[in-house]
Amino acid sequence: QVQLVESGGGVVQPGGSLRLSCAASGFTFSSYGMHWVRQAPGKGLEWVAFIRYDGSNKYYADSVKGRFTISRDNSKNTLYLQMNSLRAEDTAVYYCAKDQWYSSAPDVWGKGTTVTVSS
Amino acid sequence: EIVLTQSPGTLSLSPGERATLSCRASQSVSSSYLAWYQQKPGQAPRLLIYGASSRATGIPDRFSGSGSGTDFTLTISRLEPEDFAVYYCQQYGSSSWTFGQGTKVEIK
Repeated sequence: QVQLVESGGGVVQPGGSLRLSCAASGFTFSSYGMHWVRQAPGKGLEWVAFIRYDGSNKYYADSVKGRFTISRDNSKNTLYLQMNSLRAEDTAVYYCAKDQWYSSAPDVWGKGTTVTVSS
Repeated sequence: EIVLTQSPGTLSLSPGERATLSCRASQSVSSSYLAWYQQKPGQAPRLLIYGASSRATGIPDRFSGSGSGTDFTLTISRLEPEDFAVYYCQQYGSSSWTFGQGTKVEIK
């Protein structure tokens, strides 16, 4: 079955960096766009970034533009999120999600990985 | 950026009752790109409705979506105990995705 498993979360100091990974299985990863979506503690969902199936286009929320970079390795069925210049407000559960191409809705989600930015 | 505003913030209902959730957009949204999600505590969101009115795979027919332009609605015809959760609407447009702030459906 379709499965997404995030990893790489942890505690990092303000200004630090972290790289999240998302391992995909059960579908043809190289055929689908992928998202990162986050959820701060007790808050709602916030879309973070999207990458097209071939990596040719990437889009970011204004809140992370210039600090975060989404990428993918289709040979490894893996999605990444490089997070630099981290701030306290980046503290959240980070989910990767597969894009349902005909509706552009994230249709399958991983369980998430927690990032805490704190000194 | 299109802002989605959901109402009410909290809906207190009993099992068996009908739930009507609203999602209003700050500008027109293509119906093809409006979705609804359910999220339970400690779990990832689950896609319920895409394209404003199409049910995702495995979603019971008590869930239905409707609307167009700037006003969209998620209806749960008869609440089951497992339906008490937080619901989010979401849209895609101009290479940007946004979510509403959520509506919590709680047991009365």
